[in-house]
Amino acid sequence: DIVMTQSPDSLAVSLGERATINCKSSQSVLYSSNNKNYLAWYQQKPGQPPKLLIYWASTRESGVPDRFSGSGSGTDFTLTISSLQAEDVAVYYCQQYYSTLPFFGPGTKVDIK
Amino acid sequence: QVQLVQSGAEVKKPGASVKVSCKASGYTFTSYGISWVRQAPGQGLEWMGWISAYNGNTNYAQKLQGRVTMTTDTSTSTAYMELRSLRSDDTAVYYCAREDESNRGGAFDIWGQGTMVTVSS
Repeated sequence: DIVMTQSPDSLAVSLGERATINCKSSQSVLYSSNNKNYLAWYQQKPGQPPKLLIYWASTRESGVPDRFSGSGSGTDFTLTISSLQAEDVAVYYCQQYYSTLPFFGPGTKVDIK
Repeated sequence: QVQLVQSGAEVKKPGASVKVSCKASGYTFTSYGISWVRQAPGQGLEWMGWISAYNGNTNYAQKLQGRVTMTTDTSTSTAYMELRSLRSDDTAVYYCAREDESNRGGAFDIWGQGTMVTVSS
C-alpha cells in the first residue's frame, strides 16, 4: 500500500499571506509512460463534502482560484495558497490515485492567524 | 448539472446492515467509476472501495473485505454500498464520489452530499 503523510497537521496564516502544505508518498506516484503524477488535492470545509482542487499534482480544477497551486513530483508534493482568504479556512487532503488503493493523507487544517 | 445525490441518514444497531444509495445525474453513468469514502466524526477521509459502473468490477479496502458490497443499477444510474455486521466504529459520514479516469486519471471530481450512519444500541 502507498502511505500518504502530510505536514504540518495544522497551520495558521494571516490574511493575504502564503500557506504551504506538504504531502509525501511512501513510493513514487509518477507514472513513467505518460510522465504524470497521480496526486490530487482536496479542500473540505466544515459540514461539506471534499472538493477537488488539483489533479495530476499541478492541474487546477475548473473554477478553482489561481491562488491555489500544486507542485512536486515522485514522492514529494506541495499545495500553496499564495494569498490566504477567509474562505480558504478548511482541511486540505492529498490523495494518490497511482495504485488501485487510492488512499488519502491525514489532512492539514488551515486557519486564520 | 452533474451531481450525485445520496440517501438520507440512518441509525442502526450493532450487528445490523446498512445500504446507502448514490443516484447520478447529468452524465453517462457507465463511463465513470464510483468510489465510496467514509469519515468518522472529527477524523480524516478513509477510502472504502470502488466499483466500475461499466461492468460492475469492484475493489475493496482490505479492512472491509467480507463486510462491504458495492453494486450498481445502470437502469436508474444508482450506486449502492452495503455494510454488514455494523460496529460502533462504523459511525461516520459516507460519501460516494465519481472517479474520472479518462480526463483526470482517476481523481474524484464529483462528490455526493454525504450520508450520516450512526451505529448505536
